[in-house]
Amino acid sequence: AQSVTQPDIHITVSEGASLELRCNYSYGATPYLFWYVQSPGQGLQLLLKYFSGDTLVQGIKGFEAEFKRSQSSFNLRKPSVHWSDAAEYFCAVGYKPTGFQKLVFGTGTRLLVSP
Amino acid sequence: KAGVTQTPRYLIKTRGQQVTLSCSPISGHRSVSWYQQTPGQGLQFLFEYFSETQRNKGNFPGRFSGRQFSNSRSEMNVSTLELGDSALYLCASSLAGAAYNSPLHFGNGTRLTVT
Repeated sequence: AQSVTQPDIHITVSEGASLELRCNYSYGATPYLFWYVQSPGQGLQLLLKYFSGDTLVQGIKGFEAEFKRSQSSFNLRKPSVHWSDAAEYFCAVGYKPTGFQKLVFGTGTRLLVSP
Repeated sequence: KAGVTQTPRYLIKTRGQQVTLSCSPISGHRSVSWYQQTPGQGLQFLFEYFSETQRNKGNFPGRFSGRQFSNSRSEMNVSTLELGDSALYLCASSLAGAAYNSPLHFGNGTRLTVT
């Protein structure tokens, strides 16, 4: 069955340091790929998406992600983390095997930012 | 432009009761999808509506139902509530595409507690 894995449940990063959040999926074809962020008490906000084309995509708030087909990965990066980036981050994968549509979310990675 | 609005924000119900949650999508958005978020199961897809028709359904029992009105507003209903139904219920809208291949705009959710 198709799945989305975010191997890190929690990550702590110092303010100003770089960040990489991992996302791996299992699916034979290239799916639709998303990263969402959720702040406490809020819904999810789209950071960026990849459908096709350039495998390095830019999003809001200075985030970027790179699609690597050979590794079935779509990792999220930010060169310099700000305290306001503390939140939970979800990778989501959309696909349509044999006409049935599915959007699957990873279990999320909670980002803590230390001063 | 107003975002996705979910009402109420909080609900406390007793086992066996039923509950109705409401979602108003962004103006002009015709697709509405619903998700259940719990600490144990993460984000689980419930169903998706487009132009008053259910387009897709997740793996939830028949106690969970929904509908969409001609103005794109949507409601979901849970009957015979169980303790395990306690969760944050999130609604998301998109302009026209399906949930699996379109950016989603989420509301802040309805926190349902079943006692």
